[in-house]
Amino acid sequence: AQSVTQLGSHVSVSEGALVLLRCNYSSSVPPYLFWYVQYPNQGLQLLLKYTSAATLVKGINGFEAEFKKSETSFHLTKPSAHMSDAAEYFCAVSGNTGRRALTFGSGTRLQVQP
Amino acid sequence: GAVVSQHPSRVICKSGTSVKIECRSLDFQATTMFWYRQFPKQSLMLMATSNEGSKATYEQGVEKDKFLINHASLTLSTLTVTSAHPEDSSFYICSAPNDRGGDEQFFGPGTRLTVL
Repeated sequence: AQSVTQLGSHVSVSEGALVLLRCNYSSSVPPYLFWYVQYPNQGLQLLLKYTSAATLVKGINGFEAEFKKSETSFHLTKPSAHMSDAAEYFCAVSGNTGRRALTFGSGTRLQVQP
Repeated sequence: GAVVSQHPSRVICKSGTSVKIECRSLDFQATTMFWYRQFPKQSLMLMATSNEGSKATYEQGVEKDKFLINHASLTLSTLTVTSAHPEDSSFYICSAPNDRGGDEQFFGPGTRLTVL
């Protein structure tokens, strides 16, 4: 069994500020973890993934995430927010592989204030 | 590479009619495809796993007779919403891992279904 909890349904930051989106997971097997971004009325775009290799994962658009097994966390960060980062972000987990169906968190809407 | 398409992107239908949504892997083969549903301002929930050459596997609470899935080939899965009702209005998204391997799956752009 697996689950994902995203703390904070809405996060608002100023342009240029640090972005921190929180994700905690639960998995009975070693997890594969993903962060996706979704713009209005569009599908999902993969930002980054953790697949049991390096614990610090760098993704597209300047995002990165760190897998912390002791905290069962996979928080998403970006040093400096850009207006174009405003979107919905989903954390997802799959057990042992990324090839099975994913379990998604509830999502976090990121607002970027000018 | 690794593109998944969905057709149509938007559909509006009357209550009681059936709607077919196609999910295609354009440049890879996919024995397995997944169908998710996303209600407004909510997360994606897995509806069913589509398997080429065998019956789909449905998640608990998803009516298999209402949401018909046919995995016709290694590049095409279809979801038919039968006798649609307004509560079926949602965003339907498919995904597929590449049969050749890899540790991720690829998502289609989604289909917005509105039932009047």
